[in-house]
Amino acid sequence: AQSVTQPDIHITVSEGASLELRCNYSYGATPYLFWYVQSPGQGLQLLLKYFSGDTLVQGIKGFEAEFKRSQSSFNLRKPSVHWSDAAEYFCAVGSVNFGNEKLTFGTGTRLTIIP
Amino acid sequence: DADVTQTPRNRITKTGKRIMLECSQTKGHDRMYWYRQDPGLGLRLIYYSFDVKDINKGEISDGYSVSRQAQAKFSLSLESAIPNQTALYFCATSGMRLAGVPDTQYFGPGTRLTVL
Repeated sequence: AQSVTQPDIHITVSEGASLELRCNYSYGATPYLFWYVQSPGQGLQLLLKYFSGDTLVQGIKGFEAEFKRSQSSFNLRKPSVHWSDAAEYFCAVGSVNFGNEKLTFGTGTRLTIIP
Repeated sequence: DADVTQTPRNRITKTGKRIMLECSQTKGHDRMYWYRQDPGLGLRLIYYSFDVKDINKGEISDGYSVSRQAQAKFSLSLESAIPNQTALYFCATSGMRLAGVPDTQYFGPGTRLTVL
């Protein structure tokens, strides 16, 4: 069964600084990977996803993520954070299993932005 | 996402009461999901449905039931609510780009449920 680990429960970053959120997955085949963001009081919104091809994926709001098979990782990055990026971020892995396509989510990383 | 709506947005109920959470979507998707979010535990899948006649248990289905009334409607019921079911509940929908490939899920705004 697939699983996702987000090792950082809470990260604090200064506005304008760079950001990297870690995500490690466990899955036997080529994974389908997603990053979602949850702003306070809101549902989850897709930031980006990796299905195949280029291992560096661009998403919305200036985010990108890199799939590294050798490290079983799909870390999320942003070169310069804005106060509006304060939110909770979830990594998810999808199983390739006809008739049973599901996502497994990590426990999330809460991002705080300080001035 | 306004395409996926959940009612109610907030609900306080008492132990032992039956409660229903409703989800509607206008995205035309066949697949719908119910998740529960607890602090530090992320999102856990309760039930999912790939079409009106297909209902499946997720990882934490005990104490819950669902009904898929139509392609656009998927309801979650707590038969006899208990305090540890206090959580944030999300409905989601997805299409199917390719057979066997999980597609993007679109989430509703959530229902905050408190069981006293």
